[in-house]
Amino acid sequence: DGGITQSPKYLFRKEGQNVTLSCEQNLNHDAMYWYRQDPGQGLRLIYYSQIVNDFQKGDIAEGYSVSREKKESFPLTVTSAQKNPTAFYLCASKADPSGANVLTFGAGSRLTVL
Amino acid sequence: QQQVKQSPQSLIVQKGGISIINCAYENTAFDYFPWYQQFPGKGPALLIAIRPDVSEKKEGRFTISFNKSAKQFSLHIMDSQPGDSATYFCAASDSSYKLIFGSGTRLLVRP
Repeated sequence: DGGITQSPKYLFRKEGQNVTLSCEQNLNHDAMYWYRQDPGQGLRLIYYSQIVNDFQKGDIAEGYSVSREKKESFPLTVTSAQKNPTAFYLCASKADPSGANVLTFGAGSRLTVL
Repeated sequence: QQQVKQSPQSLIVQKGGISIINCAYENTAFDYFPWYQQFPGKGPALLIAIRPDVSEKKEGRFTISFNKSAKQFSLHIMDSQPGDSATYFCAASDSSYKLIFGSGTRLLVRP
């Protein structure tokens, strides 16, 4: 089955530690996205990538970093600079970067900072 | 200008009733309005979408009503079922990469 796989599903981190969330897709989609979801705030865009080796900041990129070395993979690193990292993180992809914004989402990763 | 305002925050409906969720936007450049459905612990999934050249789109029990002049759109769920209990997000985008999401509505359909 084609889709997006996010791992781990749950992650606990101590303050001051960096963590990396994995996102892998086998949909052959060009564009990939990272969103953060907090209760009552909808989904906010962290980073997006329209093509391999290229990515742009979204609305809340501070304290996060990404890489796009392969078309299938778009890992997100939550750094110690992120002030309030506890959240549900969603990875998404889109077939055509210039096409309609029809996003396919992964099942998410829940990060809790202890 | 970039916001999409969604209401209500939560909604309780009896089985068989009609669920209505409303969204409003300001940016007249928006030309694509999807609704996403999210079950607990899962990622959102596209439910139904509309473009502003039509005033209504229906797919099964789900209908989007769109009012371009008022810059509002809404999701109607007819004959609501307990399996429809989920969080619903409206969204909007223009020709850019970006999808702007509403804050979400948690729907509970009681048996």
